[in-house]
Amino acid sequence: QKEVEQNSGPLSVPEGAIASLNCTYSDRGSQSFFWYRQYSGKSPELIMFIYSNGDKEDGRFTAQLNKASQYVSLLIRDSQPSDSATYLCAVNKAAGNKLTFGGGTRVLVKP
Amino acid sequence: DADVTQTPRNRITKTGKRIMLECSQTKGHDRMYWYRQDPGLGLRLIYYSFDVKDINKGEISDGYSVSRQAQAKFSLSLESAIPNQTALYFCATSVSGDAGYTFGSGTRLTVV
Repeated sequence: QKEVEQNSGPLSVPEGAIASLNCTYSDRGSQSFFWYRQYSGKSPELIMFIYSNGDKEDGRFTAQLNKASQYVSLLIRDSQPSDSATYLCAVNKAAGNKLTFGGGTRVLVKP
Repeated sequence: DADVTQTPRNRITKTGKRIMLECSQTKGHDRMYWYRQDPGLGLRLIYYSFDVKDINKGEISDGYSVSRQAQAKFSLSLESAIPNQTALYFCATSVSGDAGYTFGSGTRLTVV
């Protein structure tokens, strides 16, 4: 089992719809969770972070964390073609101070 | 100017050659990291450093070495490049363990 797992996609979403991305992690003691957006050939860009159970909203993005079930999700509301990218989930495990990344989910927003 | 600068941006090298990838930052962060990215495998940690005198191996350090020349500079070397080291390499910095990373623009390395 990978330490951080994501569905590779592609997740195809109509413009204006909600894109829902999921990420599961294996280390129950993980403390902090991050979502990065990466356009093809570019570097990852931090879009959300969450530390506590529940929801955290920032603009069109909502991160959801459930530590008991060991998953973190990202919702993108009113999806735009510019949201087409790969979204990387990253976890700061309890034992270290470095991030472990999932393989990423590719999102395609179709006009 | 970029906060985290990687050089070169692209490099093609031959099997067996020694190559150095350089990273410099103006963020003032103590923590620096080297990751490689391969299709479908995400980002995997090669080495990391929490200050100038601290160097740690990541999950895939074999075949690589690093040097932390100053707080702002962290270099990655491939002592004898091999084709399966062909990948996109990213340097990243952070201010703390609970803070996100700032990534450089990446170095695309091809070993032929």
